[in-house]
Amino acid sequence: AQTVTQSQPEMSVQEAETVTLSCTYDTSESDYYLFWYKQPPSRQMILVIRQEAYKQQNATENRFSVNFQKAAKSFSLKISDSQLGDAAMYFCAQNTGTASKLTFGTGTRLQVTL
Amino acid sequence: GAVVSQHPSWVICKSGTSVKIECRSLDFQATTMFWYRQFPKQSLMLMATSNEGSKATYEQGVEKDKFLINHASLTLSTLTVTSAHPEDSSFYICSAITSGYNEQFFGPGTRLTVL
Repeated sequence: AQTVTQSQPEMSVQEAETVTLSCTYDTSESDYYLFWYKQPPSRQMILVIRQEAYKQQNATENRFSVNFQKAAKSFSLKISDSQLGDAAMYFCAQNTGTASKLTFGTGTRLQVTL
Repeated sequence: GAVVSQHPSWVICKSGTSVKIECRSLDFQATTMFWYRQFPKQSLMLMATSNEGSKATYEQGVEKDKFLINHASLTLSTLTVTSAHPEDSSFYICSAITSGYNEQFFGPGTRLTVL
């Protein structure tokens, strides 16, 4: 069974600063994908960034980047130059290549302050 | 592209009645659709996986006779909550993928309130 753990229920960051959200996972699969999703108050799930497990290079999408440590099964999200619009719930998720079923972590609520 | 819609966005029903929620992929063919339930301040829990033209696969603990899922076409899946009770009140989210593509595209969700 796959498990995804987010140990930070809440985080706060000042506008324009950088924040890192933690995520660890556990799987016996060799082929899998990792995702970070954002869920704003509207509750629409928005894909922030994805990482293929076979790629060593960390994924980057504008202000969002990940630190993927495969041996440690760690997948943290770094948000640079935080903006008020980044305030949301952030979910880490994992799936395996064949089944495509997503396993979500419990989420981290990010507050962005002025 | 890759837009998924859900209807209705919000529904209130009386206890004992049935409610149908639709999930549509608007600009792609969804070979697989997923149904999730999300309670307040909690994560998404997968309820079932449905493939077009075949029976849905339910996760452990999900009552298949209570949560009927139909995936009759490549663009439409429906979730029917039968004999709804107040404990079924929740936020229901669907997602869809297309063949050969790993990313799930999520609908905006449906808030169900059972009185």
